[in-house]
Amino acid sequence: DQQVKQNSPSLSVQEGRISILNCDYTNSMFDYFLWYKKYPAEGPTFLISISSIKDKNEDGRFTVFLNKSAKHLSLHIVPSQPGDSAVYFCAVGDSGGSNYKLTFGKGTLLTVNP
Amino acid sequence: NAGVTQTPKFRVLKTGQSMTLLCAQDMNHEYMYWYRQDPGMGLRLIHYSVGEGTTAKGEVPDGYNVSRLKKQNFLLGLESAAPSQTSVYFCASSYRDRGNQPQHFGDGTRLSIL
Repeated sequence: DQQVKQNSPSLSVQEGRISILNCDYTNSMFDYFLWYKKYPAEGPTFLISISSIKDKNEDGRFTVFLNKSAKHLSLHIVPSQPGDSAVYFCAVGDSGGSNYKLTFGKGTLLTVNP
Repeated sequence: NAGVTQTPKFRVLKTGQSMTLLCAQDMNHEYMYWYRQDPGMGLRLIHYSVGEGTTAKGEVPDGYNVSRLKKQNFLLGLESAAPSQTSVYFCASSYRDRGNQPQHFGDGTRLSIL
């Protein structure tokens, strides 16, 4: 059973608007949450992260929100730019576990139209 | 500043052939990982290593072996390739410290098994 779900396989937005990507997880032991961006023919690139002691983390145009009670995190991109078009993966981890591993969602393809 | 380098970038094998994928990192990371990415499946962990001389199984280890003889290198071996192993393989590495330590990825090896 999937521990991390990204229920939207794709999302299309207009340049300048907000992009909101969502991710749900099932295990309350997860306490470390990340977003990665992936362009075609390249490896995933770390974008932004948040730990369970926070509910928001902001880095420029990118903000990650965490709702622990709902086991939900989201990535907001404002304003969206055509260069943001990529696949976005959310990943979750349990820093209290014996080994440090991440579990990835299946990804959401974001297309930002000029 | 190389980061994580994967060799080769592309390879075509026949069923039953063997090969080794090489991952090298120059960031002095303790942890290294091998993932495979298949359409609609996200990133799935094959094997990982928490230090030189150690390896452990991930989510989909069958048909693969790994070795970590040197801290900077992590090898993924296919002893008898099968068409089901056609995939894009990504290597990643990270620091050992718990907390917000993202994994850094290589650009992938595209492997086709005929």
